[in-house]
Amino acid sequence: QKEVEQDPGPLSVPEGAIVSLNCTYSNSAFQYFMWYRQYSRKGPELLMYTYSSGNKEDGRFTAQVDKSSKYISLFIRDSQPSDSATYLCAMTFTGGGNKLTFGTGTQLKVEL
Amino acid sequence: NAGVTQTPKFRILKIGQSMTLQCTQDMNHNYMYWYRQDPGMGLKLIYYSVGAGITDKGEVPNGYNVSRSTTEDFPLRLELAAPSQTSVYFCASNNRGSGANVLTFGAGSRLTVL
Repeated sequence: QKEVEQDPGPLSVPEGAIVSLNCTYSNSAFQYFMWYRQYSRKGPELLMYTYSSGNKEDGRFTAQVDKSSKYISLFIRDSQPSDSATYLCAMTFTGGGNKLTFGTGTQLKVEL
Repeated sequence: NAGVTQTPKFRILKIGQSMTLQCTQDMNHNYMYWYRQDPGMGLKLIYYSVGAGITDKGEVPNGYNVSRSTTEDFPLRLELAAPSQTSVYFCASNNRGSGANVLTFGAGSRLTVL
């Protein structure tokens, strides 16, 4: 079993839809949770990060962490074609060295 | 401010050849990393460095070497290229202290070994 599981997609939605992207993990020590967005043929860029459980909102994006279920989500409201990318979850913990553990990424396509 | 710069962007190698992937950052970050990304496999850490003169192995170091003579540069060396090293390589950097390990990535170097 992988330490972080993420559905690879592809996920195709119409413009304006609400998108839900998810990751599950097995290591209860993870404390910091990140979402990176990666456009085709580009490097990943940080989209959001949260510490421990709870929600964090930034514009159309909301990150949610449920540590009791070992489950994190990224919601995108009013999705746009420019949101078409691969979304990678990543996580780490204090004292975990310099390692981020990444999910495999979910490919999202938002269609006109 | 260029961030993290990688060269070359694309390269085709023959089996057994050697090459160096270059990585430079201009953000004065202490920490630098090399990842490889394969389809369906996510990002795997190859090597990392916590400062000039200090390097350490990541998850998949076999077949690679690194050096860190300056804060800015962190080259990745492939000595005897194998088809299994066909991948996209990403260099990243950050400054630790926040605990969140937020990375700035380069645009990637796409390597094919034939």
